[in-house]
Amino acid sequence: EAGVTQFPSHSVIEKGQTVTLRCDPISGHDNLYWYRRVMGKEIKFLLHFVKESKQDESGMPNNRFLAERTGGTYSTLKVQPAELEDSGVYFCASSQTRGSGANVLTFGAGSRLTVL
Amino acid sequence: DQQVKQNSPSLSVQEGRISILNCDYTNSMFDYFLWYKKYPAEGPTFLISISSIKDKNEDGRFTVFLNKSAKHLSLHIVPSQPGDSAVYFCAASGYTGNQFYFGTGTSLTVIP
Repeated sequence: EAGVTQFPSHSVIEKGQTVTLRCDPISGHDNLYWYRRVMGKEIKFLLHFVKESKQDESGMPNNRFLAERTGGTYSTLKVQPAELEDSGVYFCASSQTRGSGANVLTFGAGSRLTVL
Repeated sequence: DQQVKQNSPSLSVQEGRISILNCDYTNSMFDYFLWYKKYPAEGPTFLISISSIKDKNEDGRFTVFLNKSAKHLSLHIVPSQPGDSAVYFCAASGYTGNQFYFGTGTSLTVIP
């Protein structure tokens, strides 16, 4: 079974430019999440999709961030225009809809964004 | 405002000894607690979880203890192996389990 795939692995852009990160979740996983880790800090929740619908986007920093999940498959996270404080590692995770017990997320390797 | 805290950024342990990683939380409504392990350039991978109705869960060399009154949990690794060297994240969620709060991580080094 293929895991969660993220692209690109690393992106270096200048302040004011646009970057789009892509995530392919595990096939059949209805839940897709975006998290971000700024160096040395905690991994912070950004948003949660159930299929193509945004279930919770309370962690999105501001309106420069736009996430989509077309057809309930892959997801993109666009940052436009990028600012210096957007630098960090963006993790995508997916999970099945659970009946009971802990919701175990499977994470991708992350997309490292560096804004200069 | 961090709801999950890992106050030790790093820990070094001799191979074969016990590793104890600690985590504190502030929200008494958390229902599930998980530990993730992360190697460099990889995403976090699930290690072990515990529900708020339990105080201990064991899986091989890994045991998680939960002290609800102290809002504290710990991960014990016995015996520690060099391959356990990684960053360990503690995470907590409410009943829906859809928004996790992570700590800042503890970097464990197991010395051969």
